[in-house]
Amino acid sequence: KAGVTQTPRYLIKTRGQQVTLSCSPISGHRSVSWYQQTPGQGLQFLFEYFSETQRNKGNFPGRFSGRQFSNSRSEMNVSTLELGDSALYLCASSWGGLQGNSPLHFGNGTRLTVT
Amino acid sequence: QKEVEQNSGPLSVPEGAIASLNCTYSDRVSQSFFWYRQYSGKSPELIMSIYSNGDKEDGRFTAQLNKASQYVSLLIRDSQPSDSATYLCAVNVRDSNYQLIWGAGTKLIIKP
Repeated sequence: KAGVTQTPRYLIKTRGQQVTLSCSPISGHRSVSWYQQTPGQGLQFLFEYFSETQRNKGNFPGRFSGRQFSNSRSEMNVSTLELGDSALYLCASSWGGLQGNSPLHFGNGTRLTVT
Repeated sequence: QKEVEQNSGPLSVPEGAIASLNCTYSDRVSQSFFWYRQYSGKSPELIMSIYSNGDKEDGRFTAQLNKASQYVSLLIRDSQPSDSATYLCAVNVRDSNYQLIWGAGTKLIIKP
């Protein structure tokens, strides 16, 4: 069974630009959640999509948004990039999502650098 | 105030000994508790999940949950050098919605 696939692996962007990250979950998983990992703040939950609907949300500003397609693939968009957005962005898929208390399966992450 | 607290370490344990990792969480509606292991430069991978008070064993790993005291721990028996990694505690809480709150992680070093 293929794992969670994130693309691209690395991105370099300039302040003020926007960026879109992609995540393909494990086949059969309907939940995709996104996380930001930085040395200072650790892992932080961004949001979760389940069957094309945003079901849960963390405490990030509206510049961070996402969507999920009918095949469960998900995209995350960050607009008006700031230097502080430089981080490793991880997506994870699960069968039942947070409401189902399901364990997460992580992708390899996208390393975003904002200059 | 951080909601999930872990000792950042590093925690140094001799090979073959028991490694004990602890995690405390704040008083919210906590649904489930997870331990993930993250090797340097890699993504987190699930070690254990626990949902009710008591112990849960899986091979060399035992998770312990005490909701009254608001802590969850992970014991690793017969520690191996390959266990050297950062261990992340994650708590699924329900407030206005569900959120997965992560501890900062404990770096574990197993010395041969």
